[in-house]
Amino acid sequence: SQQGEEDPQALSIQEGENATMNCSYKTSINNLQWYRQNSGRGLVHLILIRSNEREKHSGRLRVTLDTSKKSSSLLITASRAADTASYFCATDVMNTGFQKLVFGTGTRLLVSP
Amino acid sequence: EAQVTQNPRYLITVTGKKLTVTCSQNMNHEYMSWYRQDPGLGLRQIYYSMNVEVTDKGDVPEGYKVSRKEKRNFPLILESPSPNQTSLYFCASSWDPDYEQYFGPGTRLTVT
Repeated sequence: SQQGEEDPQALSIQEGENATMNCSYKTSINNLQWYRQNSGRGLVHLILIRSNEREKHSGRLRVTLDTSKKSSSLLITASRAADTASYFCATDVMNTGFQKLVFGTGTRLLVSP
Repeated sequence: EAQVTQNPRYLITVTGKKLTVTCSQNMNHEYMSWYRQDPGLGLRQIYYSMNVEVTDKGDVPEGYKVSRKEKRNFPLILESPSPNQTSLYFCASSWDPDYEQYFGPGTRLTVT
């Protein structure tokens, strides 16, 4: 079953607006990662936030993590048409003694010029 | 250049004909994994490997096999492909799940 669930499933905005995506997860984590995928291509890592961090920035990206609510959000400020992509959160999960990474179902972002 | 390569990129095959999708990384990563991506279902992990000769099932392992005889290679084997394995497949590698994953370009498989 999916560990992470993104919300909304799809988001459509105009260039220059901010885009916010949310991720909820079920079990305790060591870290949470966000990835971007352009249509049909491999995923690209955006940012990693550890469980003892509450907020992290990278350029126009801002990620927050609330471990008490088991949720994270990704904010893209001043969006551009090139930000059009699907965005996924991923969390680490313990499985039979090994740690593995589990992805959510993603948010499709469309940024119109 | 640091990269993960997959071959083939596109494959159309028939039910029951064994096939292998290769995955290779040049970053000396220990952790490698295979995912399939289907519309509305996101990425689902098929198998992962923590190191040479160490593999474990992901969420959807049925119908797939893997091996990790060398650190750089992690092939995905479909012994008897079926139409429900038509999907977009990604290989990924990293130092471990706590680190950034590097993804291959994907293999689009169609089983008729």
